[in-house]
Amino acid sequence: AQKVTQAQTEISVVEKEDVTLDCVYETRDTTYYLFWYKQPPSGELVFLIRRNSFDEQNEISGRYSWNFQKSTSSFNFTITASQVVDSAVYFCALSEISDKLIFGTGTRLQVFP
Amino acid sequence: DTGVSQDPRHKITKRGQNVTFRCDPISEHNRLYWYRQTLGQGPEFLTYFQNEAQLEKSRLLSDRFSAERPKGSFSTLEIQRTEQGDSAMYLCASSPPGQSSYEQYFGPGTRLTVT
Repeated sequence: AQKVTQAQTEISVVEKEDVTLDCVYETRDTTYYLFWYKQPPSGELVFLIRRNSFDEQNEISGRYSWNFQKSTSSFNFTITASQVVDSAVYFCALSEISDKLIFGTGTRLQVFP
Repeated sequence: DTGVSQDPRHKITKRGQNVTFRCDPISEHNRLYWYRQTLGQGPEFLTYFQNEAQLEKSRLLSDRFSAERPKGSFSTLEIQRTEQGDSAMYLCASSPPGQSSYEQYFGPGTRLTVT
């Protein structure tokens, strides 16, 4: 069965700290896709990244980086030098042969000035 | 900017009434999805369309729920005989044609409150 686990319910940091959000997934498929979305207080989900199961290369985009490890079924997200504007709920999601997204329960990140 | 739009943004209804929500996807996108999100949870998949064909429905979708996308453009989600447990944010998303599992772009959602 497919499942996404985000064990961290809430994380609080002070501005400029680095923070890592954990995501562990379960799937029986060999082809699958992993995503991260951000949901700021305004409520609209914002797409951040999509990775396929054949591409384990880590990715960096500005202050954001993602570490995909198939051996541990994890797809973790790190924000470097966090800013107050990073405060949001972050969701990890999985999709398999069907296009539907299976979301985790989210991690609420609060960045204090 | 022509992102995904949803109407209405908020709906308050009394238990037992019917409600209908509308979603307009990004214009070139042929896939359209409906999700439901309750407080403190991640979105849960309800159903999705490729063009006008409804390809998958979640077991969460009771027979009181129906979705349509008659011309492959906008979609409607109707809930009949609403119950208090239907109170949630209803999210619509769309993705472009081509390979599967493209990123989905979400609308602002319709928040339903059933009193």
